[in-house]
Amino acid sequence: ILNVEQSPQSLHVQEGDSTNFTCSFPSSNFYALHWYRWETAKSPEALFVMTLNGDEKKKGRISATLNTKEGYSYLYIKGSQPEDSATYLCAFGSNTGNQFYFGTGTSLTVIP
Amino acid sequence: NAGVTQTPKFRILKIGQSMTLQCTQDMNHNYMYWYRQDPGMGLKLIYYSVGAGITDKGEVPNGYNVSRSTTEDFPLRLELAAPSQTSVYFCASSYRAGSGNTIYFGEGSWLTVV
Repeated sequence: ILNVEQSPQSLHVQEGDSTNFTCSFPSSNFYALHWYRWETAKSPEALFVMTLNGDEKKKGRISATLNTKEGYSYLYIKGSQPEDSATYLCAFGSNTGNQFYFGTGTSLTVIP
Repeated sequence: NAGVTQTPKFRILKIGQSMTLQCTQDMNHNYMYWYRQDPGMGLKLIYYSVGAGITDKGEVPNGYNVSRSTTEDFPLRLELAAPSQTSVYFCASSYRAGSGNTIYFGEGSWLTVV
Protein backbone atom coordinates (compact mmCIF):
# COMPACT_ATOMS: atom_id res chain seq x y z
CA ILE A 1 0.00 0.00 0.00
CA LEU A 2 1.50 3.35 -1.07
CA ASN A 3 1.00 6.58 0.82
CA VAL A 4 -0.51 9.54 -1.05
CA GLU A 5 -1.07 12.63 1.04
CA GLN A 6 -2.95 15.81 0.26
CA SER A 7 -2.83 19.09 2.11
CA PRO A 8 -4.58 20.99 3.39
CA GLN A 9 -7.52 18.74 4.24
CA SER A 10 -9.94 21.65 3.80
CA LEU A 11 -9.79 25.22 2.68
CA HIS A 12 -12.17 28.18 2.73
CA VAL A 13 -11.38 31.11 0.46
CA GLN A 14 -13.17 34.26 -0.62
CA GLU A 15 -14.45 34.59 -4.17
CA GLY A 16 -11.68 36.02 -6.31
CA ASP A 17 -8.82 34.66 -4.20
CA SER A 18 -6.26 32.40 -5.75
CA THR A 19 -5.36 29.20 -3.96
CA ASN A 20 -3.26 26.08 -4.24
CA PHE A 21 -3.01 22.65 -2.70
CA THR A 22 -0.47 19.86 -2.60
CA CYS A 23 -0.38 16.17 -3.42
CA SER A 24 2.62 14.18 -2.12
CA PHE A 25 3.41 10.72 -3.43
CA PRO A 26 6.31 8.23 -3.54
CA SER A 27 9.19 9.49 -5.70
CA SER A 28 10.06 5.99 -6.89
CA ASN A 29 8.28 3.86 -9.51
CA PHE A 30 6.29 6.81 -10.80
CA TYR A 31 4.04 6.26 -13.79
CA ALA A 32 1.24 8.85 -13.66
CA LEU A 33 -0.42 11.40 -11.42
CA HIS A 34 -4.09 12.26 -11.85
CA TRP A 35 -6.12 15.15 -10.48
CA TYR A 36 -9.90 14.81 -10.09
CA ARG A 37 -12.63 17.25 -9.16
CA TRP A 38 -15.35 15.75 -7.01
CA GLU A 39 -18.59 17.58 -6.33
CA THR A 40 -20.92 16.41 -3.58
CA ALA A 41 -23.36 13.69 -4.71
CA LYS A 42 -21.59 13.34 -8.06
CA SER A 43 -18.79 11.14 -9.33
CA PRO A 44 -15.16 12.33 -9.56
CA GLU A 45 -14.27 13.89 -12.89
CA ALA A 46 -10.78 14.00 -14.34
CA LEU A 47 -9.00 17.35 -14.45
CA PHE A 48 -5.48 16.41 -15.44
CA VAL A 49 -3.38 13.36 -16.22
CA MET A 50 0.35 14.03 -15.79
CA THR A 51 3.08 11.63 -16.72
CA LEU A 52 6.35 13.56 -17.13
CA ASN A 53 8.52 15.33 -14.58
CA GLY A 54 8.06 19.07 -15.04
CA ASP A 55 4.63 18.67 -16.67
CA GLU A 56 2.42 21.72 -16.41
CA LYS A 57 -1.24 21.41 -17.35
CA LYS A 58 -3.87 24.11 -17.56
CA LYS A 59 -7.65 24.14 -17.97
CA GLY A 60 -9.20 27.59 -17.71
CA ARG A 61 -8.36 29.02 -14.28
CA ILE A 62 -7.03 25.71 -12.97
CA SER A 63 -3.47 24.53 -13.49
CA ALA A 64 -1.19 21.84 -12.10
CA THR A 65 2.52 21.15 -11.91
CA LEU A 66 4.40 17.92 -11.35
CA ASN A 67 7.74 17.10 -9.72
CA THR A 68 8.31 13.35 -9.85
CA LYS A 69 11.86 13.51 -8.46
CA GLU A 70 10.71 14.95 -5.14
CA GLY A 71 7.24 13.40 -5.27
CA TYR A 72 4.77 16.26 -5.30
CA SER A 73 2.20 17.99 -7.47
CA TYR A 74 0.54 21.35 -6.96
CA LEU A 75 -2.95 22.31 -8.10
CA TYR A 76 -3.60 26.03 -8.52
CA ILE A 77 -6.91 27.84 -8.89
CA LYS A 78 -6.73 31.45 -10.00
CA GLY A 79 -9.56 33.81 -9.06
CA SER A 80 -11.69 31.20 -7.24
CA GLN A 81 -15.41 31.15 -7.98
CA PRO A 82 -18.23 29.56 -5.94
CA GLU A 83 -18.62 26.88 -8.62
CA ASP A 84 -15.05 25.77 -7.87
CA SER A 85 -16.26 24.48 -4.50
CA ALA A 86 -15.56 20.75 -4.51
CA THR A 87 -13.15 18.14 -3.23
CA TYR A 88 -9.98 17.84 -5.30
CA LEU A 89 -8.44 14.37 -5.36
CA CYS A 90 -5.09 13.24 -6.62
CA ALA A 91 -4.27 9.66 -7.60
CA PHE A 92 -0.83 8.11 -8.02
CA GLY A 93 -0.18 5.37 -10.56
CA SER A 94 2.85 3.19 -9.98
CA ASN A 95 4.72 1.37 -12.73
CA THR A 96 4.91 -1.73 -10.52
CA GLY A 97 1.20 -2.51 -10.31
CA ASN A 98 -2.26 -2.16 -11.71
CA GLN A 99 -3.71 0.19 -9.12
CA PHE A 100 -4.18 3.88 -8.54
CA TYR A 101 -3.65 5.15 -5.02
CA PHE A 102 -5.86 8.06 -4.01
CA GLY A 103 -5.20 10.81 -1.52
CA THR A 104 -7.93 11.81 0.94
CA GLY A 105 -8.63 14.99 -0.98
CA THR A 106 -8.69 18.72 -0.31
CA SER A 107 -12.16 20.14 0.28
CA LEU A 108 -12.42 23.66 -1.15
CA THR A 109 -15.23 26.05 -0.25
CA VAL A 110 -15.36 29.37 -2.09
CA ILE A 111 -17.35 31.97 -0.18
CA PRO A 112 -19.26 34.46 -2.37
CA ASN B 1 -23.02 8.62 -23.54
CA ALA B 2 -23.58 6.12 -20.70
CA GLY B 3 -19.96 5.68 -19.52
CA VAL B 4 -19.93 3.78 -16.22
CA THR B 5 -23.32 2.86 -14.83
CA GLN B 6 -23.81 1.40 -11.37
CA THR B 7 -26.94 0.34 -9.55
CA PRO B 8 -28.59 0.68 -7.13
CA LYS B 9 -27.95 4.28 -6.11
CA PHE B 10 -29.23 3.79 -2.57
CA ARG B 11 -29.80 0.67 -0.49
CA ILE B 12 -30.43 -0.19 3.12
CA LEU B 13 -29.42 -3.69 4.19
CA LYS B 14 -29.93 -5.55 7.42
CA ILE B 15 -26.95 -7.16 9.12
CA GLY B 16 -26.31 -10.58 7.60
CA GLN B 17 -28.11 -9.91 4.32
CA SER B 18 -26.34 -10.19 0.99
CA MET B 19 -26.57 -8.07 -2.12
CA THR B 20 -24.87 -7.34 -5.42
CA LEU B 21 -23.86 -3.93 -6.70
CA GLN B 22 -24.03 -3.92 -10.47
CA CYS B 23 -21.54 -2.08 -12.67
CA THR B 24 -21.36 -1.87 -16.43
CA GLN B 25 -19.28 0.25 -18.80
CA ASP B 26 -19.68 0.82 -22.52
CA MET B 27 -16.21 2.18 -23.32
CA ASN B 28 -14.57 -1.21 -23.95
CA HIS B 29 -12.17 -0.57 -21.06
CA ASN B 30 -9.97 -3.41 -19.94
CA TYR B 31 -9.57 -2.27 -16.36
CA MET B 32 -12.41 -1.99 -13.88
CA TYR B 33 -12.33 -1.13 -10.19
CA TRP B 34 -14.49 -1.03 -7.11
CA TYR B 35 -13.72 1.62 -4.49
CA ARG B 36 -15.33 2.51 -1.23
CA GLN B 37 -15.26 5.99 0.24
CA ASP B 38 -15.51 6.51 3.97
CA PRO B 39 -15.54 9.99 5.55
CA GLY B 40 -12.05 11.41 5.85
CA MET B 41 -10.52 8.23 4.42
CA GLY B 42 -10.40 8.88 0.69
CA LEU B 43 -11.06 6.18 -1.87
CA LYS B 44 -9.95 2.67 -0.95
CA LEU B 45 -9.67 -0.02 -3.60
CA ILE B 46 -11.71 -3.16 -2.87
CA TYR B 47 -11.14 -5.25 -5.99
CA TYR B 48 -10.02 -4.65 -9.53
CA SER B 49 -9.98 -6.50 -12.82
CA VAL B 50 -7.56 -6.23 -15.73
CA GLY B 51 -9.82 -8.04 -18.16
CA ALA B 52 -12.60 -10.60 -18.48
CA GLY B 53 -11.94 -13.58 -16.26
CA ILE B 54 -9.19 -11.86 -14.23
CA THR B 55 -9.74 -10.24 -10.86
CA ASP B 56 -7.48 -9.29 -7.97
CA LYS B 57 -7.76 -7.93 -4.45
CA GLY B 58 -7.18 -4.32 -3.58
CA GLU B 59 -6.54 -2.77 -0.18
CA VAL B 60 -9.83 -3.69 1.54
CA PRO B 61 -11.26 -6.90 -0.02
CA ASN B 62 -12.60 -8.64 3.10
CA GLY B 63 -16.36 -9.21 3.02
CA TYR B 64 -16.64 -8.75 -0.75
CA ASN B 65 -16.47 -10.85 -3.89
CA VAL B 66 -16.32 -9.94 -7.57
CA SER B 67 -16.52 -11.59 -10.94
CA ARG B 68 -15.72 -10.44 -14.45
CA SER B 69 -17.39 -12.68 -17.01
CA THR B 70 -17.55 -9.97 -19.70
CA THR B 71 -15.56 -6.87 -20.54
CA GLU B 72 -18.56 -4.68 -19.78
CA ASP B 73 -19.71 -5.98 -16.38
CA PHE B 74 -18.01 -6.06 -12.98
CA PRO B 75 -20.49 -6.80 -10.17
CA LEU B 76 -19.52 -6.50 -6.51
CA ARG B 77 -21.13 -8.92 -4.06
CA LEU B 78 -21.46 -8.27 -0.35
CA GLU B 79 -21.87 -11.45 1.64
CA LEU B 80 -23.22 -11.28 5.20
CA ALA B 81 -23.42 -7.49 5.38
CA ALA B 82 -21.90 -5.82 8.44
CA PRO B 83 -22.24 -2.24 9.74
CA SER B 84 -18.58 -1.66 8.79
CA GLN B 85 -19.63 -1.97 5.16
CA THR B 86 -21.78 1.14 5.39
CA SER B 87 -20.11 3.35 2.82
CA VAL B 88 -20.34 4.92 -0.60
CA TYR B 89 -19.21 2.57 -3.34
CA PHE B 90 -17.81 3.70 -6.67
CA CYS B 91 -17.25 1.57 -9.72
CA ALA B 92 -14.69 2.86 -12.19
CA SER B 93 -12.97 1.86 -15.40
CA SER B 94 -9.96 2.82 -17.48
CA TYR B 95 -8.30 1.63 -20.63
CA ARG B 96 -5.19 0.71 -18.68
CA ALA B 97 -3.96 1.30 -15.15
CA GLY B 98 -0.82 3.01 -13.88
CA SER B 99 -0.71 4.99 -17.08
CA GLY B 100 -1.80 8.24 -18.62
CA ASN B 101 -5.34 6.99 -19.09
CA THR B 102 -8.17 8.68 -17.22
CA ILE B 103 -10.29 6.78 -14.73
CA TYR B 104 -14.02 7.12 -15.34
CA PHE B 105 -16.28 6.77 -12.33
CA GLY B 106 -19.87 5.75 -11.88
CA GLU B 107 -22.18 7.96 -9.85
CA GLY B 108 -21.82 6.00 -6.63
CA SER B 109 -23.97 3.67 -4.56
CA TRP B 110 -24.87 4.70 -1.01
CA LEU B 111 -25.16 1.60 1.16
CA THR B 112 -26.29 1.55 4.78
CA VAL B 113 -26.14 -1.62 6.88
CA VAL B 114 -28.35 -1.55 9.96
